[in-house]
Amino acid sequence: DADVTQTPRNRITKTGKRIMLECSQTKGHDRMYWYRQDPGLGLRLIYYSFDVKDINKGEISDGYSVSRQAQAKFSLSLESAIPNQTALYFCATSDLSAGGSYNEQFFGPGTRLTVL
Amino acid sequence: TQLLEQSPQFLSIQEGENLTVYCNSSSVFSSLQWYRQEPGEGPVLLVTVVTGGEVKKLKRLTFQFGDARKDSSLHITAAQTGDTGLYLCAGARGTASKLTFGTGTRLQVTL
Repeated sequence: DADVTQTPRNRITKTGKRIMLECSQTKGHDRMYWYRQDPGLGLRLIYYSFDVKDINKGEISDGYSVSRQAQAKFSLSLESAIPNQTALYFCATSDLSAGGSYNEQFFGPGTRLTVL
Repeated sequence: TQLLEQSPQFLSIQEGENLTVYCNSSSVFSSLQWYRQEPGEGPVLLVTVVTGGEVKKLKRLTFQFGDARKDSSLHITAAQTGDTGLYLCAGARGTASKLTFGTGTRLQVTL
């Protein structure tokens, strides 16, 4: 079984619609992240959460919101989708390494979102 | 502002050739990671380097962290078609748990 799962894997929607992308993990990690990937831009951080009561904006949070329903679940919402939000979206998890000096992340398979 | 620039952006080589991918920044990172991503999948961690000048080897892949911890390189010896994919570097600062990802290098290895 996959450690980090994302649903749906593919979604096509129209401008103005509300969309929710879901992420679940069985790794027992406290930290969860949402990224979007666009060609030539690598991965950009949208939101991250270090535990259930902690939510932080990333570098491109405008137009997005998140909810951390449980340690294992972190969902991303697009309140009113627009075409430039068409991208690949990835959820990731991490836990502090020994000594807390670095941060290894484990990614889900991604959601391909198209906004028409 | 993209803090981590990778070069080249695209690389197409034949099986058996050697190649090097670079990851450069003007900022200092406490650690740097390399990921590989295949089509339809999320990135998968290959290695983490944490000490300036550190060299790590993973079979035919050699990773190096610059002495000043601002840059890194990935060298592949005798590339195979299975090495095809998108290679991403990612840096972390201090004990921060956020990663800054590079722009990516797309590698195509053909027979």
